[in-house]
Amino acid sequence: GENVEQHPSTLSVQEGDSAVIKCTYSDSASNYFPWYKQELGKGPQLIIDIRSNVGEKKDQRIAVTLNKTAKHFSLHITETQPEDSAVYFCAAKFDFGNEKLTFGTGTRLTIIP
Amino acid sequence: DSGVTQTPKHLITATGQRVTLRCSPRSGDLSVYWYQQSLDQGLQFLIQYYNGEERAKGNILERFSAQQFPDLHSELNLSSLELGDSALYFCASSVGQGANWPLHFGNGTRLTVT
Repeated sequence: GENVEQHPSTLSVQEGDSAVIKCTYSDSASNYFPWYKQELGKGPQLIIDIRSNVGEKKDQRIAVTLNKTAKHFSLHITETQPEDSAVYFCAAKFDFGNEKLTFGTGTRLTIIP
Repeated sequence: DSGVTQTPKHLITATGQRVTLRCSPRSGDLSVYWYQQSLDQGLQFLIQYYNGEERAKGNILERFSAQQFPDLHSELNLSSLELGDSALYFCASSVGQGANWPLHFGNGTRLTVT
């Protein structure tokens, strides 16, 4: 079936430290894994994505790693800042007759000044 | 600003009623997606349209329906509303047909059913 598990559900880190959020997915054929950030009162916003032909992708303080064998991928935020506080969602593309993006249940990240 | 416009921002209605949520996709995007977000369910995919045609269906109830018009805007119709339908409803758009294109989300419509 289509399942994406995300951990932890809440995460608090000191400003300047790193944050890591992990997701596992159920279908080994999945090949697209985006991460979205949702701030209060707004819709989710794409922050980074990775496709299955690469193992890691970086964009400034944000990086995503993918382990296809283990079927998990992770979001890494370094040098965290107060504006990183938000809910983060991972997602994976599934294709069981029709393609769809299934989201994890979200991680509420709080950066402590 | 994602470029996706959703109206209204808030909607309060009674059980048994019917409402229509509207979405204008980002300029140039042909796909429109509808998602439901509630506290205990996360982001649940409802339905996708691509260039006016239904493309994919998720966990959409029979009481709910949607369509995409020739100008590419979309409407989500919710009828015989129940208390459990209270949620945030998001529209997202993308340029392509498949699920591996980046989604651009609107800021949602908060529906409260009393």
